[in-house]
Amino acid sequence: DQQVKQNSPSLSVQEGRISILNCDYTNSMFDYFLWYKKYPAEGPTFLISISSIKDKNEDGRFTVFLNKSAKHLSLHIVPSQPGDSAVYFCAASAYGGGETSGSRLTFGEGTQLTVNP
Amino acid sequence: KAGVTQTPRYLIKTRGQQVTLSCSPISGHRSVSWYQQTPGQGLQFLFEYFSETQRNKGNFPGRFSGRQFSNSRSEMNVSTLELGDSALYLCASRHGAGNEAFFGQGTRLTVV
Repeated sequence: DQQVKQNSPSLSVQEGRISILNCDYTNSMFDYFLWYKKYPAEGPTFLISISSIKDKNEDGRFTVFLNKSAKHLSLHIVPSQPGDSAVYFCAASAYGGGETSGSRLTFGEGTQLTVNP
Repeated sequence: KAGVTQTPRYLIKTRGQQVTLSCSPISGHRSVSWYQQTPGQGLQFLFEYFSETQRNKGNFPGRFSGRQFSNSRSEMNVSTLELGDSALYLCASRHGAGNEAFFGQGTRLTVV
């Protein structure tokens, strides 16, 4: 049962343009969502996150949008740079955060982003 | 501030052997989680430790086990290795109040 899905295995964009990566989820209990960037043979690097009480969060060139009714989130990267080329994973958590809550991330399959110069 | 440190980075073991992987979390982080990444299954949650207690466990056989020490360092052990255990094993630590998990570089385990 794939609770978090990234339907696009790959995405190619031109440098300077917008990259939009999409993610869908099925578990209504998820209340926190994260995006990670990953290079081969390395661990994922945290990019940006969003709580289910918000619908948008921005951090520099990265913006995450959450549509709870559609169970959909997206990551926008503007402007895209060649150094952004990597695999992007969305992840979801169902435990509400805080020190006493568990932290179990459910990951999507990843989207390979290629930014062409 | 040092990041999450995993040792060793690479490991080759023979089927049937056992292996122990180590993870040192970011200073001050008390939650440590382990994940397995394989080409076919993606990133799968193994277990999470907090204050030396396992409080979440993924859907893996009992051959996969772990522990956490009083300094928050964690180890995971895989006994009776199978070829399918070949994977990148990732450790992540989390600060108490935050939801963001920060990952180490991983241990690449190859079972031959």
